Amino acid sequence: DIQMTQSPSSLSASVGDRVTITCRASQTIRTHLCWVQQKPGKAPNLLIYDASTLHGGVPSRFSASASGREFTLTISSLQPEDFATYYCQQSYSSPWTFGQGTKVEIK
Amino acid sequence: QVQLVESGGGVVQPGRSLRLSCAASGFMFSSHAMHWVRQVPGKGLEWVAISWFDGNNEYYADSVKGRFTISRDNSKNTLYLQMNSLRVEDTALYYCVRDAGYSTGRFDSWGQGTLVTVSS
Repeated sequence: DIQMTQSPSSLSASVGDRVTITCRASQTIRTHLCWVQQKPGKAPNLLIYDASTLHGGVPSRFSASASGREFTLTISSLQPEDFATYYCQQSYSSPWTFGQGTKVEIK
Repeated sequence: QVQLVESGGGVVQPGRSLRLSCAASGFMFSSHAMHWVRQVPGKGLEWVAISWFDGNNEYYADSVKGRFTISRDNSKNTLYLQMNSLRVEDTALYYCVRDAGYSTGRFDSWGQGTLVTVSS
């Protein structure tokens, strides 16, 4: 199975901050990488797919990139509604696997 | 808009069975693969199973293989998960999830989940 490792596991940030989350795959997944946002008590929502393509309706302050087996999610200016847990997920092959999550908390 | 509504969760003893359902609406159900993904409360996400768009193929996580069966009825726009020989470690919130296509592994719509608690 492909292992996905995220860092950090949590971070504290203020509204307006630039936030970066990293995810590393244990083997090549090309650009078959998704980012999923989960707000407390809610179901997850797809944010980004194919490593850098924004899902419909996702604000442009979210962006993502890939370099080899390393992937990055960036929020350019953190908004109150962005406080949530973010998961990376490889869509390269079954079994599809998730990172352990990064919880973004209010500083 | 896409709606996925799970039902069938509850409290069950170890070794017993439970059947989850997911009613889908707002899209062409028969054109999409469908998944079950679970989440232990307070923990991360774990993919469980996929049913291909036509129901002719399915794959499972090793943790549930041989105990769970995913199926679908495209005439009723409904996805199912038959869970047998349940274990305490199967306790989780089970999400019904739409695949963006036939089997892309991209989870583009999620239901609100149904909670399964396995406890004696």
